[in-house]
Amino acid sequence: QAVLTQPVSLSASPGTSASLTCTLRSGISVGTYIIYWYQQKPGSPPQYLLKYKSDSDNHRDSGVPSRFSGSKDASANAGILLISGLQAEDEADYYCMLWHSSGWVFGGGTKLTVL
Amino acid sequence: EVQLEESGGGLVKPGGSLRLSCAASGFTFSIYSMNWVRQAPGKGLEWVSSISSSSNYIYYADSVKGRFTISRDNANNSLYLQMNSLSADDTAVYYCARVATRTVWVDGFDIWGQGTMVTVS
Repeated sequence: QAVLTQPVSLSASPGTSASLTCTLRSGISVGTYIIYWYQQKPGSPPQYLLKYKSDSDNHRDSGVPSRFSGSKDASANAGILLISGLQAEDEADYYCMLWHSSGWVFGGGTKLTVL
Repeated sequence: EVQLEESGGGLVKPGGSLRLSCAASGFTFSIYSMNWVRQAPGKGLEWVSSISSSSNYIYYADSVKGRFTISRDNANNSLYLQMNSLSADDTAVYYCARVATRTVWVDGFDIWGQGTMVTVS
């Protein structure tokens, strides 16, 4: 079982909100980890969005709109990237990442379609 | 301008070797930890290796351990990845990426290069 699991795809309409999940493998508690989020558009390198550990320990990278925010769902053992006020330019692949067992682990990525 | 530029990619036969370079500019390279991340065609991101600012700490993904070697030359603002015993599974775009916070080992990767393509065939 993969350490991080993300839905392959997600669709949402402009102006609405999208909640992208990053589920941790059973036995690994989301509460103890900082979850990092990246956005990648076709033909471009990933762009760092934010990191989230808790409501009091999180940080959005410089220049990232406040429409992007992080959270956790402890009951689902998942990190969440919330994008509010969706815009056409938000259409991209989104990856979560964490540091686990002496290495970085990426989720498989979610392709967000804005239509 | 803060920038990373990879080079050294290309076509190599299975079992061959390649050395990637990453030239840093616009920031004090010597105080940041660095990483290599790869992305196979049409696939997701895969972390490859990390190195601390003074090369004291080095980590590798299991998929490349024993075959790849990460190194850096702080005097020349450069990061390297020596890749040996290459196979088709190593075909990917290889990105170098900077850890966001200076002197910190674990943090997000805030600066990425454009990547260099490695094809093993």
